[in-house]
Amino acid sequence: DGGITQSPKYLFRKEGQNVTLSCEQNLNHDAMYWYRQDPGQGLRLIYYSQIVNDFQKGDIAEGYSVSREKKESFPLTVTSAQKNPTAFYLCASSIPGAVKTQYFGPGTRLLVL
Amino acid sequence: GQQVMQIPQYQHVQEGEDFTTYCNSSTTLSNIQWYKQRPGGHPVFLIQLVKSGEVKKQKRLTFQFGEAKKNSSLHITATQTTDVGTYFCAGNIRDNAGNMLTFGGGTRLMVKP
Repeated sequence: DGGITQSPKYLFRKEGQNVTLSCEQNLNHDAMYWYRQDPGQGLRLIYYSQIVNDFQKGDIAEGYSVSREKKESFPLTVTSAQKNPTAFYLCASSIPGAVKTQYFGPGTRLLVL
Repeated sequence: GQQVMQIPQYQHVQEGEDFTTYCNSSTTLSNIQWYKQRPGGHPVFLIQLVKSGEVKKQKRLTFQFGEAKKNSSLHITATQTTDVGTYFCAGNIRDNAGNMLTFGGGTRLMVKP
C-alpha cells in the first residue's frame, strides 16, 4: 500500500460545497477505484477506471464525479448533490490481468459541518 | 442487491479461541480474495483462492474455497489480540463487465485478552 497516497486524511465539508479527494499511485497500475465505507459497513464501489481517460459508474455514483487524465491520478469530487457524504473514502488500484487484487490507500474521512 | 454475503457480522472471542467467518455468493466466482482491515486502517490483501476446493494456509489462518466456487471461509486458530479487525471477502464474479471485485459486508473480530 506504500505506493498509493490519499489526501487529505480528514476533510470537512460545509452544506452545498463541493470537495475533491486526491488519490495518487506510483505503482504503474492501470485500474483505479473509489469506494465508500460507512461505519461498521463494507465497501461500496463509487467509480472505477480501467484506463486513462475512461471511467465507469459503480453501485453508488450519484452525487460523485471523477476524472482520469493521468494514469497516476484519480481524484473524486463529492458534489453538493450527495446528501449524506459523511463516510470513509478509500481509493484502490490494481495490477493488470484478469485477477484484480486491489491495493488500497490510507483513506480520507469526510465530515459534514 | 449485494451478491456476496458474509456471516457473522460481528464476533467476540476470548484470546486463544478459534474464529471462522463465512462468505457466500449468489453466483459462481472465478476467484475469491480475502482482506483484513485493522481498526482505523485500510483493507490489506491477505490471499487469493482460484481453484475449486482449494485450501491455503498462512500460519494460524486457513482459507478455503468451496467445490462449487460459491462460498469460502477463513478460519483462525488460537486467536491473538493482533487478529483484531474486520475481515472482508471479495469475489471476482464471472461475466461481470470489467472483472470487478464485489466485497462482502465483512466480519468484525474482537478478541478479549
